[in-house]
Amino acid sequence: DAKTTQPNSMESNEEEPVHLPCNHSTISGTDYIHWYRQLPSQGPEYVIHGLTSNVNNRMASLAIAEDRKSSTLILHRATLRDAAVYYCILRAGYNYGQNFVFGPGTRLSVLP
Amino acid sequence: DAGITQSPRHKVTETGTPVTLRCHQTENHRYMYWYRQDPGHGLRLIHYSYGVKDTDKGEVSDGYSVSRSKTEDFLLTLESATSSQTSVYFCAISGTSVASTDTQYFGPGTRLTVL
Repeated sequence: DAKTTQPNSMESNEEEPVHLPCNHSTISGTDYIHWYRQLPSQGPEYVIHGLTSNVNNRMASLAIAEDRKSSTLILHRATLRDAAVYYCILRAGYNYGQNFVFGPGTRLSVLP
Repeated sequence: DAGITQSPRHKVTETGTPVTLRCHQTENHRYMYWYRQDPGHGLRLIHYSYGVKDTDKGEVSDGYSVSRSKTEDFLLTLESATSSQTSVYFCAISGTSVASTDTQYFGPGTRLTVL
């Protein structure tokens, strides 16, 4: 999988929007952009994924740059429960044995 | 939430003893995975299964074996536990073989300490 780069940590106030950036300058045309998050003492949790167009679901929005070399996960109103480590991952192909390459991610702190 | 449970949730054992971790799913998903998570290494794939009795090695399979006799259960066995196997173990499931759009659902984890 191609490499991604994320800030180590970010801070947000409760009920404010949060924009979590991810750089993936070596992304290939078949790579999907996935976001997972891991709350304290829990397993990773799927958030959202996309290929080229912006995506929305009940948890978040994913904004993908036109050249696809970066993306942003948007939490519209942060809550205390959103405090977690957020991972941006690129996935491609059809190999079901493919490793999930979780980098260090971004640790999001939400202040009341 | 996907129906995945792991047991035990915590275990402390001694070097040289066998240990079996169980992953149980109620989603009838075909694919199941065992990962370990260690500081500085992220998640690393140990073994995975693509069906009943069909398993294969992942990135860090040495010292581990797996078995899957039923769709819902995937067992991870440490034949002779070592201190380097102290870690948090996560099971995951997936309903598709298409990695690009694959959504994996993770269990709550098992914290294993080998003394």
